Amino acid sequence: KAGVTQTPRYLIKTRGQQVTLSCSPISGHRSVSWYQQTPGQGLQFLFEYFSETQRNKGNFPGRFSGRQFSNSRSEMNVSTLELGDSALYLCASSSGQGLAGANVLTFGAGSRLTVL
Amino acid sequence: GNSVTQMEGPVTLSEEAFLTINCTYTATGYPSLFWYVQYPGEGLQLLLKATKADDKGSNKGFEATYRKETTSFHLEKGSVQVSDSAVYFCALRGEMKTSYDKVIFGPGTSLSVIP
Repeated sequence: KAGVTQTPRYLIKTRGQQVTLSCSPISGHRSVSWYQQTPGQGLQFLFEYFSETQRNKGNFPGRFSGRQFSNSRSEMNVSTLELGDSALYLCASSSGQGLAGANVLTFGAGSRLTVL
Repeated sequence: GNSVTQMEGPVTLSEEAFLTINCTYTATGYPSLFWYVQYPGEGLQLLLKATKADDKGSNKGFEATYRKETTSFHLEKGSVQVSDSAVYFCALRGEMKTSYDKVIFGPGTSLSVIP
């Protein structure tokens, strides 16, 4: 079956702009998690959505937001971009139910954002 | 809150050498523990997991044992290959009785295997 698909793969924005990233999970998965990956901070958890509701949230400013649609596809938005937002944004899906330990994350290839 | 600590490297080994990447965690109860691997230009892939104390996860020659007494989940492989060159992440999902906790990751350990 198809994996986790993230679009776009690469994008360049300037400071002050906003950006929307998209994630299509594995068919049947109802949970989508977002992470920011940078060389200095590693993998930082942004938020997780399950059945269109935010279930968990990381420690990022309100400029970072997300949503999930009824088909489980998810988007994340970053407004008023800053240079420090340059990163690889990774999306991961899982079933989101059943035994927590069996709920492994399947990652997409990521969206690389460069802010100039 | 929960946290994961691992040796950051980079680690450079010769082919067929023994690999150990240390991982320790801080969490209440019994979290689920994972090792993920990231090859250049790709997203992360699950390598192995363990969901309760003394469980041993294994895959592709890699092994890790969930040690509750030392809060550790060290990754080992007896003989590494050039194709094992990648970044390895230790991760945990906290234990929650009525819902799901998020998965958090260690800083990653870069491994280079030279012929």
